[in-house]
Parts: sequence; C-alpha cells; structure tokens
Amino acid sequence: EAEVAQSPRYKITEKSQAVAFWCDPISGHATLYWYRQILGQGPELLVQFQDESVVDDSQLPKDRFSAERLKGVDSTLKIQPAELGDSAMYLCASSTDTYTGELFFGEGSRLTVL
Amino acid sequence: DQQVKQNSPSLSVQEGRISILNCDYTNSMFDYFLWYKKYPAEGPTFLISISSIKDKNEDGRFTVFLNKSAKHLSLHIVPSQPGDSAVYFCAASIGNEKLTFGTGTRLTIIP
Repeated sequence: EAEVAQSPRYKITEKSQAVAFWCDPISGHATLYWYRQILGQGPELLVQFQDESVVDDSQLPKDRFSAERLKGVDSTLKIQPAELGDSAMYLCASSTDTYTGELFFGEGSRLTVL
Repeated sequence: DQQVKQNSPSLSVQEGRISILNCDYTNSMFDYFLWYKKYPAEGPTFLISISSIKDKNEDGRFTVFLNKSAKHLSLHIVPSQPGDSAVYFCAASIGNEKLTFGTGTRLTIIP
C-alpha cells in the first residue's frame, strides 16, 4: 500500500539551530501539505503545494520557516533558527487532484527544541 | 479563534456500546466536514466525510450526522470495538480550501 514517507521520525535540537524535514508523497499525488500539530491541539496547515507551486502559506512563519518542492515530487520543510515554541509534530500529507478532503498523512516528524 | 471545537478531550465507552463523538463549528461558510482517526505514533487517517447538502452519511459501523442550524456534527460508532480506541479529529473546509481541524477527542473502548 502506498504511503507518505517522512524523515526523520524524531529530531532533538537546541534553540537557534537549523532543522530540516523531508517528505515523499504518494506517487501521483499533485497536492502536498505540511501541517504542524502542537500537543493537545489539532493539526494546523503551514503550507500547501500544488505540484511545485505554493497554494497557501498564510500560516507559515516566513521569518524562520521555509518550504520547497522543487520538482513537484518530494518536499523539504526547514526551520532556521529553531525556537522552543517550535516543538511539535510536523505532519506531511498528500492528496489527489480531485478534492475530497481525504488527505493521506505520513507518520510525522516529532521535533523537540531544547 | 477556534473555529472547530471538540469540547470533550476524552471519552470512555464499553465494548459493544455506541460511541458518540461531538464537534461544533462557528463558521457558517464551512460546507464540507470530515472525521480523522489517529493512533499513537501514526499520522491521522481519513474515516468519513459529509457534505453540507446532506444531514447523514453512513459507512459500516460509522455514521456522521450534521445539524447545520446548530452548527454541530457528530460521529457515531456502533458497535464500538477495542480497535476503535484512538484520537478522533473533526475537520471542516469551505469548498476545496484548507481543512481546519478540531483539538481531538481521545476515545477509549473498555473491553
């Protein structure tokens, strides 16, 4: 069964360091999402790509966060510098072109900033 | 401003009984609603959805009810099974815009 792959699963870093997360969506899925889930809260959209183009990055803290999907396939989310409040689960999801609301999520990357 | 609210952080139900998870929303423009299920150390998985033109959608043991006038939706699981123990998130969207998730309800099925 096709899955969304994410790495690393866990990352511990000190504040002010740089962090990067990688996501490989399900093959053929044109839409890719990065969500952040803080403990006790629901997932919040950071950025949405349609192929290689950003569709929505209104909630992405652009002073420290960046995301790219250069060839319209896999994607990288970067945080520089990391802050204590960035500790969260970073979830990648993908979906087909036909919108049904059904997103396929990866297992997530848990970030702890010390 | 939390536009999608799940006011019960946790719920315990006896195996075989009905589980009812509730969700309220404030934005009357939402026209598509979904439920996702999340096991520990895994990403959320889609469970069931409903369009605002319907008031009920059923898929096996899972039924979602939508009350637009009350801005309320609920997920019914009948009968509840131990494998249903998970965190359940409701989510809503306006057309094909981004999903707004609730804070989740942890369901525990007691054998």
